Amino acid sequence: AQKITQTQPGMFVQEKEAVTLDCTYDTSDPSYGLFWYKQPSSGEMIFLIYQGSYDQQNATEGRYSLNFQKARKSANLVISASQLGDSAMYFCAMRPWAAGKSTFGDGTTLTVKP
Amino acid sequence: DAGVTQSPTHLIKTRGQQVTLRCSPKSGHDTVSWYQQALGQGPQFIFQYYEEEERQRGNFPDRFSGHQFPNYSSELNVNALLLGDSALYLCASSLWGNPDEQYFGPGTRLTVT
Repeated sequence: AQKITQTQPGMFVQEKEAVTLDCTYDTSDPSYGLFWYKQPSSGEMIFLIYQGSYDQQNATEGRYSLNFQKARKSANLVISASQLGDSAMYFCAMRPWAAGKSTFGDGTTLTVKP
Repeated sequence: DAGVTQSPTHLIKTRGQQVTLRCSPKSGHDTVSWYQQALGQGPQFIFQYYEEEERQRGNFPDRFSGHQFPNYSSELNVNALLLGDSALYLCASSLWGNPDEQYFGPGTRLTVT
């Protein structure tokens, strides 16, 4: 069974500062992918970044980076230079390598203050 | 390049009725997964379709059924609607065997009264 834990129900950050959203996971699958999605109030789930379990380097996509620590089973999302438009719900998800189902955490609501 | 599309956007149904939701995957994708997202929670996996067959299923009753067509589009059917079926239904598309991509559609918000 897979489990994703996001321990921060809500986070606040000042505009232009960096913020880290926590995610820990548990799985027995030897190969898997980790995803972060942004969900604004409109409801659409927007893909942000992906990290494969065998990737040696941490993934980066523009202002997003994933701090992957396999031994600790953590996959934290770092958003640099926060913008007001970053205010949304953020979900961490895991998916086995064999294209199976994705398991999501309960999400973190990020509020960016001007 | 068209992304994942879903229809309708919103739907209001009465308890006991049946509903059909539709999804077209992103161009180049052949696998469709459906998720149910209740208010304030993360999405829960319903099932996944590839090559017109249900490949995996989450912990949902048989009232939830689906179909995939030769053009890879998919339908989600829910029979005998309950108030608890009110949720945002998300469709995700991906390429079978390629784990690093999964894109979601805008969702269908179903309200059961």
